[in-house]
Amino acid sequence: SSELTQPPSLSVSPGQTASITCSGDKLGDKYASWYQQKSGQSPVLVIYQDMKRPSGIPERFSGSNSGNTATLTISGTQALDEADYYCQAWDSSTVVFGGGTKLTVL
Amino acid sequence: QVQLQESGPGLVKPSETLSLTCTVSGGSISGYYWSWIRQPPGKGLEWIGYIFYTRSTNYNPSLKSRVTISKDTSRNQFSLKLNSVTAADTAVYYCARQTPELYYGMDVWGQGTTVTVSS
Repeated sequence: SSELTQPPSLSVSPGQTASITCSGDKLGDKYASWYQQKSGQSPVLVIYQDMKRPSGIPERFSGSNSGNTATLTISGTQALDEADYYCQAWDSSTVVFGGGTKLTVL
Repeated sequence: QVQLQESGPGLVKPSETLSLTCTVSGGSISGYYWSWIRQPPGKGLEWIGYIFYTRSTNYNPSLKSRVTISKDTSRNQFSLKLNSVTAADTAVYYCARQTPELYYGMDVWGQGTTVTVSS
């Protein structure tokens, strides 16, 4: 199965834009989802189908996917966005997760 | 609102079989994929496998030889069995719903259950 690579960590200041990348072979040809996991909690779906937001997810969360890279963008990052973020692809009816990115807001 | 609840032993001995059940409340199993995911302490998410409501299954190739996922529609439950466990199988185990309309995103998750493999 394919692998998805994410940077282990990212730091941003409050109000800035955070961009978290997820790289994989021909990822742009597959559907990418993104999950937010706060400490001690279950993951929450924040982006599906590359760029769509489930109901209840703030507009500051957006996504894109092209070529070999999917990107989760958080605009106007807030302290409450501090969490681990995981990309996930649906590849030939198989699920693949990225290794996760720890987002620190400071 | 659909909710998922994992249940099963929190401690399993090495070489034995880990068995967990996920109970679906507030909705039906039909029409969705039902996945198991695990997270070792301090590490990332690892997909274990899923069962579709038609009973078809698919497993992570790295675990396929040890995993069985089944469902009981009458009880609105699906289950995980992982045999020949070792300490490396110690993790928080989550069940989750994958929705085809959301391009297989996992939109509902259980709270997770911690399983420790130790003698």
